[in-house]
Amino acid sequence: SQTIHQWPATLVQPVGSPLSLECTVEGTSNPNLYWYRQAAGRGLQLLFYSVGIGQISSEVPQNLSASRPQDRQFILSSKKLLLSDSGFYLCAWSRTGEGSYNEQFFGPGTRLTVL
Amino acid sequence: AQSVSQHNHHVILSEAASLELGCNYSYGGTVNLFWYVQYPGQHLQLLLKYFSGDPLVKGIKGFEAEFIKSKFSFNLRKPSVQWSDTAEYFCAGYSNYQLIWGAGTKLIIKP
Repeated sequence: SQTIHQWPATLVQPVGSPLSLECTVEGTSNPNLYWYRQAAGRGLQLLFYSVGIGQISSEVPQNLSASRPQDRQFILSSKKLLLSDSGFYLCAWSRTGEGSYNEQFFGPGTRLTVL
Repeated sequence: AQSVSQHNHHVILSEAASLELGCNYSYGGTVNLFWYVQYPGQHLQLLLKYFSGDPLVKGIKGFEAEFIKSKFSFNLRKPSVQWSDTAEYFCAGYSNYQLIWGAGTKLIIKP
């Protein structure tokens, strides 16, 4: 069966510090990968998605970036955090190929607080 | 612009009441629609999905949703809610290689 891991679960960082959140998927190959930010009352905002190693699409311009160094690893980064980066970050994956139906499977999330 | 909208941000019901959460989408082409649920402290998980065929879709835990193309709607229903249904519910539609999400509805069930 497939599992998705995110770490850390919670993180408190000062403004201006760097960020690295990691997401890994087990039990599948060549998944589509996604980073979302969830804000109260505003649903899920798609930040980045990737359909393959080194292929990243950005949906929202901001000071965050994403990388996919391996097939099942997706990293969310920032060089200098802003207060507005605080939030709940979710990683998700979906199958590729015909008949995949585009269902997304979510990780446990990382609660980021920037002070 | 493509969008998914949920009518209510907060719903409070008593146990055994009937539930209907509204969801409307505004995009054309192939319509793939989902309802996800997030129980307190847990992952987002799929409740049910619609791709084609029977517009009445049954999901887990007694939930169902009806796709009405003429109304661009995909409302979630449950005939009798339980305290354990307290959660946040999200409607989403798939378009252009990504899921478009509604803002979510927080459902609180009073015991």
